[in-house]
Amino acid sequence: GESVGLHLPTLSVQEGDNSIINCAYSNSASDYFIWYKQESGKGPQFIIDIRSNMDKRQGQRVTVLLNKTVKHLSLQIAATQPGDSAVYFCAEIKLMTTDSWGKLQFGAGTQVVVTP
Amino acid sequence: KAGVTQTPRYLIKTRGQQVTLSCSPISGHRSVSWYQQTPGQGLQFLFEYFSETQRNKGNFPGRFSGRQFSNSRSEMNVSTLELGDSALYLCASSSRGPDSPLHFGNGTRLTVT
Repeated sequence: GESVGLHLPTLSVQEGDNSIINCAYSNSASDYFIWYKQESGKGPQFIIDIRSNMDKRQGQRVTVLLNKTVKHLSLQIAATQPGDSAVYFCAEIKLMTTDSWGKLQFGAGTQVVVTP
Repeated sequence: KAGVTQTPRYLIKTRGQQVTLSCSPISGHRSVSWYQQTPGQGLQFLFEYFSETQRNKGNFPGRFSGRQFSNSRSEMNVSTLELGDSALYLCASSSRGPDSPLHFGNGTRLTVT
């Protein structure tokens, strides 16, 4: 039969506004979290990461917040631009070694559409 | 510095055939991971190689295999292709663990007819 695709939630944001993308993670033992951005026709691009011993981390125009109590991760993008239109994925992992990544568990993704 | 390079970019195969996908990591990177991306299942981990050794393997059937060469280049092979193998196959590399971000290539789009 025909496979059913994942229905990606969509976030519509006006250019210049701030965006907040949310992610619920599944494994309470995960100790490393990453946000990726995927534009059409391209592979995922690393945005920012955060370890479980932190609550907040800031990058250029982006902030990641981690709430371990409710297993929630969010990505805030300041002054959203048309180039921010993409699918955003959160990923989690329980690190087992220090010299390789292991298996990243990705969320389903959020489609961000920036309108002028 | 060149990014992760995957070849070919697009492939069309018939059910029952086999296929080999190639990945050249970023220069100096020793770790290579493979992921399958489909609309139905999202991004799923296939396997990870580090210095020619398979470190981790995902929950895929034995038809999916891979290897890494001494120059860190990697290949993955899918035998006896099924329609459900149609997907975007992504390769990612890093110089080592989480102190170095995982960088993805743009993938190989495999269509099985």
